Amino acid sequence: AQSVSQHNHHVILSEAASLELGCNYSYGGTVNLFWYVQYPGQHLQLLLKYFSGDPLVKGIKGFEAEFIKSKFSFNLRKPSVQWSDTAEYFCAAVGAGTASKLTFGTGTRLQVTL
Amino acid sequence: DVKVTQSSRYLVKRTGEKVFLECVQDMDHENMFWYRQDPGLGLRLIYFSYDVKMKEKGDIPEGYSVSREKKERFSLILESASTNQTSMYLCASSLGGTPNEQYFGPGTRLTVT
Repeated sequence: AQSVSQHNHHVILSEAASLELGCNYSYGGTVNLFWYVQYPGQHLQLLLKYFSGDPLVKGIKGFEAEFIKSKFSFNLRKPSVQWSDTAEYFCAAVGAGTASKLTFGTGTRLQVTL
Repeated sequence: DVKVTQSSRYLVKRTGEKVFLECVQDMDHENMFWYRQDPGLGLRLIYFSYDVKMKEKGDIPEGYSVSREKKERFSLILESASTNQTSMYLCASSLGGTPNEQYFGPGTRLTVT
């Protein structure tokens, strides 16, 4: 069965620190990958997505993610976090060409301190 | 601008009550979804629908049912609410076909006492 793992459950960083959140997926075929973010009190919104092509994907607010097929990974990165990046981050995957059902990871809560 | 709305932000119900959660999208999307979000468990899919009057079970459908009579509206029904259904419920929609980006509503925090 398809699964998505996020090993960092809670990350605390100081402002200006670099961020990398891990995401690994388990799926035999081609996958489409997403990172969603949920700011406190707000709804989930798309941060970035990978369908095909360049494995380095850039999203909103300076975030990027790299798809490494050999490692089944899609880690999220940001060179310098801000206090406003405090949020919960979810990785999700769906098999390309299959039904629309996304599988989500358990989420990583990021806390950025001043 | 894409919009998914949910009928209530907060809801308190008693054990055994029948509960209706409503979701409306204004983007003419074919697909609609209901998830529950619990700390440490992420989002788990309850039911989804590809078209009007179509529904498919997700990963945790037990204790829930759904209704989709119109394309823009997808309802989640708890036939007899139980305390273990206390959770945040999220509705989402997306265009048909793959790949797809899902657009989420603000969520309904349901407490069953």
